Amino acid sequence: GAVVSQHPSRVICKSGTSVKIECRSLDFQATTMFWYRQFPKQSLMLMATSNEGSKATYEQGVEKDKFLINHASLTLSTLTVTSAHPEDSSFYICSARVLAGVADTQYFGPGTRLTVL
Amino acid sequence: QKEVEQNSGPLSVPEGAIASLNCTYSDRGSQSFFWYRQYSGKSPELIMFIYSNGDKEDGRFTAQLNKASQYVSLLIRDSQPSDSATYLCAVNENDMRFGAGTRLTVKP
Repeated sequence: GAVVSQHPSRVICKSGTSVKIECRSLDFQATTMFWYRQFPKQSLMLMATSNEGSKATYEQGVEKDKFLINHASLTLSTLTVTSAHPEDSSFYICSARVLAGVADTQYFGPGTRLTVL
Repeated sequence: QKEVEQNSGPLSVPEGAIASLNCTYSDRGSQSFFWYRQYSGKSPELIMFIYSNGDKEDGRFTAQLNKASQYVSLLIRDSQPSDSATYLCAVNENDMRFGAGTRLTVKP
């Protein structure tokens, strides 16, 4: 399957700082990437859809000014958590859409575990 | 009504048994259906996708799709302790929608 990487895999930061997470498609071009958040023992929650060269589409209840998404190239999308607070501590996972005939599939990156102190 | 529904479990089966995971969806126009496996602390991993009615087999895994009943399932034969994970059903409508997942435990 297609390979998606994320960096960093784990980050610990102080409250009030900003954290940038990178999501890369390694062996294919991804015009659309997705950002999810997952709290412990809970299901995936879609935060936003990132389209190359255009503004991201955010899900209801997700603050676009707090979670800045940039998809400047066909292989890279970034999520910046601005002025992070302890309640932002979570597992952030990106995925990339792959169009393969009838099947429009998503492949996930390995995730970034954010801890805000 | 949730778009994609799964029994949250936990589902517990003995090693060697068949594990049956079920999923229903609300949008009749959905075209493709996916099963992901997520180990604790890890991101989801694609296991299978299916888009035609009937069965699709891949090793110990069989996906079953019934569009008339809006139902998709995943069977895991000869279950192993390493199959213990949360299994996510996903349905591609205009965007991919995920179920909340079913936690499977395979006991040795």
